[in-house]
Amino acid sequence: DAKTTQPPSMDCAEGRAANLPCNHSTISGNEYVYWYRQIHSQGPQYIIHGLKNNETNEMASLIITEDRKSSTLILPHATLRDTAVYYCIVRVGGGSQGNLIFGKGTKLSVKP
Amino acid sequence: DTGVSQDPRHKITKRGQNVTFRCDPISEHNRLYWYRQTLGQGPEFLTYFQNEAQLEKSRLLSDRFSAERPKGSFSTLEIQRTEQGDSAMYLCASSLFGTVSYEQYFGPGTRLTVT
Repeated sequence: DAKTTQPPSMDCAEGRAANLPCNHSTISGNEYVYWYRQIHSQGPQYIIHGLKNNETNEMASLIITEDRKSSTLILPHATLRDTAVYYCIVRVGGGSQGNLIFGKGTKLSVKP
Repeated sequence: DTGVSQDPRHKITKRGQNVTFRCDPISEHNRLYWYRQTLGQGPEFLTYFQNEAQLEKSRLLSDRFSAERPKGSFSTLEIQRTEQGDSAMYLCASSLFGTVSYEQYFGPGTRLTVT
């Protein structure tokens, strides 16, 4: 079973920040938080990952709480093309565990 | 385009027929994964390879399913005696084992419809 809890759906206005929450209260010390997204009819796409510290890349920012029991993915200026299902996944980093365990994710709808 | 390709993109078959899908990963990637995704669900892991060795198989991978990666490059997934419950999107992903970040790159998927 997935180790994360996400809201099933969220709406966001185009140009505004989209903040997608994820709860992972049973995360272990050696587990990373990964975010992927899946645009309709495409394969999932890696967005960002982190262990303890906040992370930022060209796509998004990841804010992880100090106790690491939850995190938030931030899309700073959402566009219509960001409409997708967003998956939060926790897993051991460094390749010791092979597969990703996806939940149902959050369906983000960006509206004009 | 992630660099992972899958063929065919769509397949319609009749129940009881055999089907085979192909995945070509990013060339330098040594790990290759197969997932299955049904409508409204996240992808579910089926199996993965490191080079040509099949390292893990999910309980979802019944004995009607077989996957190979004979030369450690492309992979095939065969389903024998297809059933309507096999209708799904079959996704392939690849990654480079040994890097810290270890993200997986997914192909566009093969959508199977069993009639």
